[in-house]
Amino acid sequence: GESVGLHLPTLSVQEGDNSIINCAYSNSASDYFIWYKQESGKGPQFIIDIRSNMDKRQGQRVTVLLNKTVKHLSLQIAATQPGDSAVYFCAENFSGGYNKLIFGAGTRLAVHP
Amino acid sequence: GAGVSQTPSNKVTEKGKYVELRCDPISGHTALYWYRQSLGQGPEFLIYFQGTGAADDSGLPNDRFFAVRPEGSVSTLKIQRTERGDSAVYLCASSLQQGLGTGELFFGEGSRLTVL
Repeated sequence: GESVGLHLPTLSVQEGDNSIINCAYSNSASDYFIWYKQESGKGPQFIIDIRSNMDKRQGQRVTVLLNKTVKHLSLQIAATQPGDSAVYFCAENFSGGYNKLIFGAGTRLAVHP
Repeated sequence: GAGVSQTPSNKVTEKGKYVELRCDPISGHTALYWYRQSLGQGPEFLIYFQGTGAADDSGLPNDRFFAVRPEGSVSTLKIQRTERGDSAVYLCASSLQQGLGTGELFFGEGSRLTVL
């Protein structure tokens, strides 16, 4: 199938290492942020979200950090596994009340055994 | 299946033709969205339905694009007089309810449109 993220920046990591994917968002009024994972030929899959009144949120093996001062978002994946290989998108929302998301450009994560 | 279903998965058409793309959301999800994803880019918002009505169609690129959701469930995205620049993956997503941070979006696998 068609490859998502053909020309995207790539982060290559060894299996078992921690991964950090960064994202700069555009609108200082955005108050809700989400990370999505997209495998080739599939739709984006929700990973974790964070509201603007928080600066850190943890899930299972994932942590999202939010720095509103510099409009920066990061996704940390602990003990990266081959199944984590995909394109990762951050998304922001400032519409209020519904999911009109503005997606970033995406980063391809390649996990090597 | 229990997920968002989109048909066709692939559509190849000629410039100038009319196409329809269908989305069957998760049962009970009142909010439905269409996004478009060009190669190497993130999805771009097209339109949002709450129930039967289009609550926000600000992302539709021009009047060749139109979407309906007559019974508040299945939605159809319609593109008239297709152009090569319309080639992309059209993603549909649904969520249980509106409300910031409460409506996790569930995406379908998309309909890949190629205009020759």
